[in-house]
Amino acid sequence: DSGVTQTPKHLITATGQRVTLRCSPRSGDLSVYWYQQSLDQGLQFLIQYYNGEERAKGNILERFSAQQFPDLHSELNLSSLELGDSALYFCASSEGLGAGGTYEQYFGPGTRLTVT
Amino acid sequence: AQSVAQPEDQVNVAEGNPLTVKCTYSVSGNPYLFWYVQYPNRGLQFLLKYITGDNLVKGSYGFEAEFNKSQTSFHLKKPSALVSDSALYFCAALNQAGTALIFGKGTTLSVSS
Repeated sequence: DSGVTQTPKHLITATGQRVTLRCSPRSGDLSVYWYQQSLDQGLQFLIQYYNGEERAKGNILERFSAQQFPDLHSELNLSSLELGDSALYFCASSEGLGAGGTYEQYFGPGTRLTVT
Repeated sequence: AQSVAQPEDQVNVAEGNPLTVKCTYSVSGNPYLFWYVQYPNRGLQFLLKYITGDNLVKGSYGFEAEFNKSQTSFHLKKPSALVSDSALYFCAALNQAGTALIFGKGTTLSVSS
């Protein structure tokens, strides 16, 4: 158990809908990262937050957004869902930013999103 | 562009034999390299990392990895494979900004009894 929790575990929704994925980082970790894992794209970095502020963006679509709250949990919002958004979404956390932390990221169990 | 390559989609070994899962990287500056393992329907589990120092890094569950700067490789190794090692293995590198991991496509390790 990495200490990172994600809810829900599974989510099935229809095209055009909006969903929210939730992540609680390990105790003491200030950085939260979101990744998308799909068969065709592999594991791709979406976005990073550090202590409530957005720090880096990867291949995140404009229909997707995220935030990190004062208690450090994070939510990833996916809107106007398309069939191609079906994937496993992982949250990870680490102590700090790349240069100042211990570098390794600890991953949650993921949320499997199925868009029908 | 920074990238991580895992040239083998699948590696098959017999239990008790040594295993190697290959990884090469292309990153700017000093590389920070990682191996993760993913079991079915589970998240990624950290195995080991190379930041600096000895080229042979020891990690969890008897795994180790050899960093080779001249060959830009970071191969994962284990002297004696177990059936329970069967899983999907990912090599990753920290991007230059230190903000995200760049993952390889993954290698499925299958250990037969």
